[in-house]
Amino acid sequence: RKEVEQDPGPFNVPEGATVAFNCTYSNSASQSFFWYRQDCRKEPKLLMSVYSSGNEDGRFTAQLNRASQYISLLIRDSKLSDSATYLCVVKITSGTYKYIFGTGTRLKVLA
Amino acid sequence: DVKVTQSSRYLVKRTGEKVFLECVQDMDHENMFWYRQDPGLGLRLIYFSYDVKMKEKGDIPEGYSVSREKKERFSLILESASTNQTSMYLCASSFYGNRNYEQYFGPGTRLTVT
Repeated sequence: RKEVEQDPGPFNVPEGATVAFNCTYSNSASQSFFWYRQDCRKEPKLLMSVYSSGNEDGRFTAQLNRASQYISLLIRDSKLSDSATYLCVVKITSGTYKYIFGTGTRLKVLA
Repeated sequence: DVKVTQSSRYLVKRTGEKVFLECVQDMDHENMFWYRQDPGLGLRLIYFSYDVKMKEKGDIPEGYSVSREKKERFSLILESASTNQTSMYLCASSFYGNRNYEQYFGPGTRLTVT
C-alpha cells in the first residue's frame, strides 16, 4: 500500500464548478501536510499548507482529518487556469524529515 | 523569494557517461533533496541532505551518488548513466525542523540517456 494515495483522475469539470480531492496517508509519524500544484512539464509549487483546524485561501479550502488520516482540497468556482495536477504531500518526522508525495490528481476545467 | 536553480533544463547523455546535476538554493536552507519524477510513479526520493557533508539515502539511491560540500549546493551524480535513468530530475530545499516548513523546487532537469 502506498504511503500517500490519491485518485489520479482526471477530473473534468466545467468552469464555475466546485471540485474536491481527497488524499489518504498511512504513516502515523505524519506531521505536516501540504497541497502542491504542478503544471505540465513544470516543477511543483506550494498551493497551501494544511492546518489541523482547516484553512482557506480565496477559492481554495484545505481540511485535515487526523483520526481518519486524510486531507482534502476543495476548489470553488473553478477557473480554466486551475487546470493542473494537484499533489498531496505529507511530511514525516522519524529521526530526520522526509516529504512523501502522492502521485497527483489531474484536474481539467472545461470552458 | 526563495530561489532554487538547477544547472541544466535539458540534458542528453550517452549510456555509460558520468553525469553531474547541480542544484543551488539561496535561502540558507539546511535540507536539500533530489527526486526523479516519472509518469504514473510520481516523485521518488533519491537522496537528501540535512547539513553540509551529510547525506541520507532515499527510496531509490541505486546508481546515484550525491555531494554537499557547501550549504547552498547539492549535486547529484550518475556514475554510469543508463537508459532507465532517463527522467525528470527535481531538486528541492527546505528549512530543517518539525514546523510546517514546505519544500521549494527548482525548475527540473529533463535528462535523456541514449
